[in-house]
Amino acid sequence: GAGVSQSPRYKVAKRGQDVALRCDPISGHVSLFWYQQALGQGPEFLTYFQNEAQLDKSGLPSDRFFAERPEGSVSTLKIQRTQQEDSAVYLCASSLQRVGNEQFFGPGTRLTVL
Amino acid sequence: DQQVKQNSPSLSVQEGRISILNCDYTNSMFDYFLWYKKYPAEGPTFLISISSIKDKNEDGRFTVFLNKSAKHLSLHIVPSQPGDSAVYFCAASPDGNQFYFGTGTSLTVIP
Repeated sequence: GAGVSQSPRYKVAKRGQDVALRCDPISGHVSLFWYQQALGQGPEFLTYFQNEAQLDKSGLPSDRFFAERPEGSVSTLKIQRTQQEDSAVYLCASSLQRVGNEQFFGPGTRLTVL
Repeated sequence: DQQVKQNSPSLSVQEGRISILNCDYTNSMFDYFLWYKKYPAEGPTFLISISSIKDKNEDGRFTVFLNKSAKHLSLHIVPSQPGDSAVYFCAASPDGNQFYFGTGTSLTVIP
């Protein structure tokens, strides 16, 4: 398909485990964004990339969260030593334009930390 | 601190009537505004946008109004259809990149 894809769709982790969430943006999209959405809340910005450069990571909640996009396409969000409060849906979005006015979202990865 | 607020968690409207979804924001630096629609188990889908240089943008049945002095925007859907039933999020950004989302309004259109 031509949309943003994310894998896995669902992830259950034991507390303390490391997880890696993958995002495949729409081909050719310059900007890529990660959001965290807790139950009953709107998406909260985590970080964004323009090509391979991470231009803003001010939304990452702690140094356990790390994102990369080494070749300017696929991105991985890594969470180390997961905690229960990390349980959320992690959404990835991409945008063709440098100013990401229209962001196309993937279906999200639902992370549950036990 | 929630910079974008959607104070109505839910709204029910009869098919064919107008749906009005409201959104308030606190940061006067916000210049870009988006509305997204979300179905269960799917990511949000872009609906319509507006920038601060305009006060209205229309796309088919969807119109977004922006009142900068009141820091308020609204989404009008007319006529409402049952397929419009979803959660609607408004989002705002100072730079078009870091967007702040509201908590969403669940719209139900009754056939």
